[in-house]
Amino acid sequence: GENVEQHPSTLSVQEGDSAVIKCTYSDSASNYFPWYKQELGKRPQLIIDIRSNVGEKKDQRIAVTLNKTAKHFSLHITETQPEDSAVYFCAASFTGGGNKLTFGTGTQLKVEL
Amino acid sequence: DVKVTQSSRYLVKRTGEKVFLECVQDMDHENMFWYRQDPGLGLRLIYFSYDVKMKEKGDIPEGYSVSREKKERFSLILESASTNQTSMYLCASSLAGGTYEQYFGPGTRLTVT
Repeated sequence: GENVEQHPSTLSVQEGDSAVIKCTYSDSASNYFPWYKQELGKRPQLIIDIRSNVGEKKDQRIAVTLNKTAKHFSLHITETQPEDSAVYFCAASFTGGGNKLTFGTGTQLKVEL
Repeated sequence: DVKVTQSSRYLVKRTGEKVFLECVQDMDHENMFWYRQDPGLGLRLIYFSYDVKMKEKGDIPEGYSVSREKKERFSLILESASTNQTSMYLCASSLAGGTYEQYFGPGTRLTVT
């Protein structure tokens, strides 16, 4: 089945700096790559996604890039703020059917004042 | 507004008990999913269902079963709870077809003693 690796597992940045989280996937047929943010005690929520026909997508301070050849995609957060502190999960669509997603193991991002 | 609810936020059960976790969505979604979330392991798929009475095993189905008698409701059953099933359980739903965005419930923190 699909395998998604996510790095780093923890990331600490100063407020205002940028943060980058990277994921690699194994199934070359995957075509949908979402990123979820989970604040402490809350449910995961979609913050941005990208499809395989697009190389980059941006939404205000967050952006996602996709390199299909290398089978990796990244989340970029600029001008980080304390409210960006959370666990971030990447995922890749599983082409085995049923609209399944395979998730990475998560990155704990801490934005320090 | 999208809504996925789970029957309990916290649950404490004894080893060997039969445990029911229930998930309800009000978005008329075809797909429903059960994940368990453990630190450092991300979100792992237990079972999913793409239609009423239809189910498929995910990556870690051992020790679990599911039931989907109505479109809006998806139940996870632990036939005989064990301590290694202590975890956070998240339910999610999504539309069928090419859209993969999953909407999550608030989670159930299950402790088996």
